[in-house]
This record gives sequence, C-alpha cells and structure tokens, in this order.
Amino acid sequence: NAGVTQTPKFQVLKTGQSMTLQCAQDMNHEYMSWYRQDPGMGLRLIHYSVGAGITDQGEVPNGYNVSRSTTEDFPLRLLSAAPSQTSVYFCASSSWTGQGSTEAFFGQGTRLTVV
Amino acid sequence: SQQGEEDPQALSIQEGENATMNCSYKTSINNLQWYRQNSGRGLVHLILIRSNEREKHSGRLRVTLDTSKKSSSLLITASRAADTASYFCATDLNDYKLSFGAGTTVTVRA
Repeated sequence: NAGVTQTPKFQVLKTGQSMTLQCAQDMNHEYMSWYRQDPGMGLRLIHYSVGAGITDQGEVPNGYNVSRSTTEDFPLRLLSAAPSQTSVYFCASSSWTGQGSTEAFFGQGTRLTVV
Repeated sequence: SQQGEEDPQALSIQEGENATMNCSYKTSINNLQWYRQNSGRGLVHLILIRSNEREKHSGRLRVTLDTSKKSSSLLITASRAADTASYFCATDLNDYKLSFGAGTTVTVRA
C-alpha cells in the first residue's frame, strides 16, 4: 500500500516553462488536494477535488491548473513558471463523511525551484 | 487567509519535559486535526478531534478543543528527541477545505 505518491521529488524550471507535478493515491479516497508550503506561511491550498471530474479553486490558484479524470490521479500543471512559484508542493488525499474530513495522507513533496 | 494560527511559533524544551502548543481559529468547524512534519518530509496525521469533543488522547499526545474560545491545544508529554518537528493544526470548515496554520517548530534538546 503506497499511500500518496508524488513525482518528481525535485525540479528546476526556467521562467516561462511549463510542467506537470504528478500525484497518485491508492486508497480510493474521493478527496484530493494540492498545497504549497513557503517558509513561515504553513500550507496554502491551491486546488482541490471532491471526486473524478470535479475540481475547485483553493486559496492560491493563479498560475496552476488541475484535472481529475480518475479517482487515483490528480496532476497539477504549472502553465508558465514564475520565480514566485518556487516552493515545496504537497499532494494530499482523504475521505469526507457526514462529520467532515477524515485524516489526510500526504505525499513526500516536490521541491520546485524556478530560476 | 489562513484559518488557524499556532502559538508559539517556536518552542525549545529539554528531553523529558512536556511541550504545549496552541491553535486559534476564526469560524465554526467540523473538526480540528493536528499534523507533524519532520524536516523535509510530508505531513503525518497525529489526531483528529470533532467539534462535539472536548479532549482526546493518543499515546503521549493530548488534544483539547474549546469551541467557545475557538481554540485547541496539543500537549506532548515526556518529550523525546524524535519529537523534534513542526506541528500544524488544520481546521475543517465543512466546505471541503482543510485550512492549515503556519505551525509551531519544536526542538527537543538531549
């Protein structure tokens, strides 16, 4: 049982390049999300999905796109990388019940540097 | 804006001592969760407390929730070097979003 798998672990991009961060989970969770973590700011929600075919914006969605074609996968696309997108990115998955979220499982993160 | 705010930002204690950190939030919640992050790693879930619960225990962890004050505390008893990490609270706002605070960095000295 792998949990949440993110690839790549490290990436350096030039300004203006595009790329896709991959996220896959094998726990059949309906809910998946992407966060970015910057020093002193905790985790900020970029986009999330409550099921295949359904996505929505979080707190800081500008410059990022997502799609959810399957329950397992939730890729994050950077359209035109900017230095302000230098950060550590985390993917997470969980279930939601009538009492709200269950525990979230996180990937190991992708450390992205935009030069 | 972030819902939860942890206090203090950093905490340094001696091995064997207890560590207490607090989380305040702004709006009504379904539940509140605490996570640990070791340096350079992903977050690991520690404990979840629902809005109708006041206290919860898990091993050396004790979490309290006061919905009237919109605050929670995490107590780690008999700390160990392995407890050195950052600790985050996350609030479930019943809108399919988990909102995280900026975290408390705990250093346990041998």
